[in-house]
Amino acid sequence: AQSVTQLDSHVSVSEGTPVLLRCNYSSSYSPSLFWYVQHPNKGLQLLLKYTSAATLVKGINGFEAEFKKSETSFHLTKPSAHMSDAAEYFCVVSGSTSGTYKYIFGTGTRLKVLA
Amino acid sequence: EAGVVQSPRYKIIEKKQPVAFWCNPISGHNTLYWYLQNLGQGPELLIRYENEEAVDDSQLPKDRFSAERLKGVDSTLKIQPAELGDSAVYLCASSYSGRVVDEQFFGPGTRLTVL
Repeated sequence: AQSVTQLDSHVSVSEGTPVLLRCNYSSSYSPSLFWYVQHPNKGLQLLLKYTSAATLVKGINGFEAEFKKSETSFHLTKPSAHMSDAAEYFCVVSGSTSGTYKYIFGTGTRLKVLA
Repeated sequence: EAGVVQSPRYKIIEKKQPVAFWCNPISGHNTLYWYLQNLGQGPELLIRYENEEAVDDSQLPKDRFSAERLKGVDSTLKIQPAELGDSAVYLCASSYSGRVVDEQFFGPGTRLTVL
């Protein structure tokens, strides 16, 4: 079975400072991992995905994430936060159970960016 | 390319009333998903279609929820009768296929309020 844990429900950073959103996963085999962002009243948008290729994945808007198998982590980072980054972020593990596959979402991390 | 379209965006009904949500996926996407997102939580899968076949409906409360995807394109999710606890955002997503590595594209959701 797969599961995902987002370690922080809320993160606050000042504009221009680094962002770190933490995600740990559990999977019985090599998973596919995703980060999605959800702005208020908007649909979920894919930031980046890991699918067993390069462990450092670069996404849109300057975000990147590193897959660390030994730590079962897939933390999302950005060197410099922008006000427009304020949103809800979801870590997702994708896996197959009994022949069917599904996305398993974390509970989300709300990022607040302070001016 | 047009994204996933959902309607209505907002719906307010009284308990015990029926309600229906409509979704038009991205053209060419064979796989369609309905998710339920409660406040402060990540989305949870209700049902997944491969073309017109429901291949995973294990989380759909079949006593009051039903869904259909006629002709393998548009889909409708219905609740009858609605209960107070059904207040949530209902998300529709689509992907080109049902592979584990595939990105899912999400619509903006329908926010349901049951009074």
